[in-house]
Amino acid sequence: EVQLVESGGGLVKPGGSLRLSCAASGFTFSSTWMSWVRQAPGKGLEWVGRIKSKTSGGTTDYAAPVKGRFTISRDDSKDTVYLEMNSLSSEDTAVYYCTADQTLGGVIVHGYWGQGTLVTVSS
Amino acid sequence: DIQMTQSPTSLSASVGDRVTITCRASQSISSYLNWYQHKPGKVPKLLIYATSSLKSGVPSRFSASGSGTDFALTISSLQLEDFGTYYCHQSYTAPFAFGPGTKVDI
Repeated sequence: EVQLVESGGGLVKPGGSLRLSCAASGFTFSSTWMSWVRQAPGKGLEWVGRIKSKTSGGTTDYAAPVKGRFTISRDDSKDTVYLEMNSLSSEDTAVYYCTADQTLGGVIVHGYWGQGTLVTVSS
Repeated sequence: DIQMTQSPTSLSASVGDRVTITCRASQSISSYLNWYQHKPGKVPKLLIYATSSLKSGVPSRFSASGSGTDFALTISSLQLEDFGTYYCHQSYTAPFAFGPGTKVDI
């Protein structure tokens, strides 16, 4: 059974930093592209970024609002993906979901989701 | 970056109604369009991938169509369990993007 467990959320002051972790199990993590998606209170889903598998280059892509501030990395030895967040503002307050991506019908989808971890940016 | 729009923003319908949600991309995304359902307190769930392919286990009352920039999700006979917010999602090119969502009330 696929499991994604996020951790590291909490309260952080504006301008601060936080690192989220997502521990994966139940699938071959090293060959899976992983993504982060967030949902601010009362708002819709927002794609944050993704990291490809190392065999696909291990490259990352980010949404414009977080580019330059957020960094996604992975440790295949620990089956874990990370989201390092810097220069946080109140607009980054959200539930952050980790997803394991699949290719279905030739299209990348966020096939599996963690339960999410809440990040609150407030003084 | 590709922007996604959806309409309507919200809708209220009755059990048995036929409901259609539309999604538009700011540029052509071929058939790289997916649909997710999200209920409060739950994890988002993939319903449709590659424009019109139903994910295994999703009821056949859900269908979708489109290509290029214009897409639609249809629920042929709305059921109580279909409440929630529906998002289209482009995975044609990074950065990927979700539409703003359509809230369905029953």
